[in-house]
Amino acid sequence: SQTIHQWPATLVQPVGSPLSLECTVEGTSNPNLYWYRQAAGRGLQLLFYSVGIGQISSEVPQNLSASRPQDRQFILSSKKLLLSDSGFYLCAWSPGRDRKNTEAFFGQGTRLTVV
Amino acid sequence: AQSVSQHNHHVILSEAASLELGCNYSYGGTVNLFWYVQYPGQHLQLLLKYFSGDPLVKGIKGFEAEFIKSKFSFNLRKPSVQWSDTAEYFCAVNTGRRALTFGSGTRLQVQP
Repeated sequence: SQTIHQWPATLVQPVGSPLSLECTVEGTSNPNLYWYRQAAGRGLQLLFYSVGIGQISSEVPQNLSASRPQDRQFILSSKKLLLSDSGFYLCAWSPGRDRKNTEAFFGQGTRLTVV
Repeated sequence: AQSVSQHNHHVILSEAASLELGCNYSYGGTVNLFWYVQYPGQHLQLLLKYFSGDPLVKGIKGFEAEFIKSKFSFNLRKPSVQWSDTAEYFCAVNTGRRALTFGSGTRLQVQP
């Protein structure tokens, strides 16, 4: 069966420090991968999605970037965190080849607090 | 661009009351529709989904949703809620061109 791992679960970082959140998927190949940010009362905002290694689409211009160095690995990064980067970050995957099956599966999330 | 609106931001019900959460989307073509639930302290889980066929779909835990194409709606319903249904509910749409687009969520609080 497929599983998705996201870490760390919680993170407190000072303003101006770098960020690296990692997400890996097991049990599937060529998944579509996503990073969302969840803010209270605003739902889930899509930040990045990837349909393959090295292929990243950015949805919202911001202080963050994403990379996909391996098929089942998706990394969310920042060179210098801002206070406004605080939030709950979710990684998700969906089957890549079958475009009809577009259900997404979510990780446990990372609560990031920038202080 | 696709978008999703959930008009009920916070709903408070007593146990055994009926539930209906509204969801409207904006996209003129074929859509896939979803309801996700996030229980306190847990990750997002799929409640139900609609791809095609019968517009009335049944999900887990007694939930159902009806797709009304003419109204661009996919409302979630449950005849009798339980305290354990306290959670945040998200409607989402996918047109097949990009990732899921989510609504702002509805926080449901069920009082015993």
